[in-house]
Amino acid sequence: DPKIIQKPKYLVAVTGSEKILICEQYLGHNAMYWYRQSAKKPLEFMFSYSYQKLMDNQTASSRFQPQSSKKNHLDLQITALKPDDSATYFCASSQAGLGTEVFFGKGTRLTVV
Amino acid sequence: QQKVQQSPESLIVPEGGMASLNCTSSDRNVDYFWWYRQHSGKSPKMLMSIFSNGEKEEGRFTVHLNKASLHTSLHIRDSQPSDSALYLCAGRGSALGRLHFGAGTQLIVIP
Repeated sequence: DPKIIQKPKYLVAVTGSEKILICEQYLGHNAMYWYRQSAKKPLEFMFSYSYQKLMDNQTASSRFQPQSSKKNHLDLQITALKPDDSATYFCASSQAGLGTEVFFGKGTRLTVV
Repeated sequence: QQKVQQSPESLIVPEGGMASLNCTSSDRNVDYFWWYRQHSGKSPKMLMSIFSNGEKEEGRFTVHLNKASLHTSLHIRDSQPSDSALYLCAGRGSALGRLHFGAGTQLIVIP
């Protein structure tokens, strides 16, 4: 059973629209993250949350907004979508701590047309 | 500038052969390393981690780390076709959960 659930698996969006990517983890971790992977760039860190608080934001654009309604949920809202936003978005989690393993969900593949 | 560089970009080895993958950090603050494997269309899964100088072996996989040069390597012996995947090196960043990933080495094991 997958322990980090991401929905949807695939998403096609029109330029200028808004989408929300869903993530829930059942590993009992207290920290959650978003990463992005595209054909043009390696897997890159976007955000980290711990105990529902934003800890780190490496996304320059305010169009990307994480939302945490519960400790084990971390959704990602993306507004004013652009074709360059097309990528696979991975939700990840770990126990807080610099040497702990980061586990990844199966990803949401977003295509913006 | 990318903090973690991997080489080679791609590697083809015969089944049963040895695959050697390299990774170097250009940032002295990036000094703990993980190796992840990502099969096509799947999520990255952690293979091994190494935080101190030396060598660590788990089954067919061996990792080395030289902290002075911030260089780590992954060696896969008796390579199998199922080992064909993208191998990602990740270095620990200064913030919680922030891993700096290299671009990866695409390994192809030919039967």
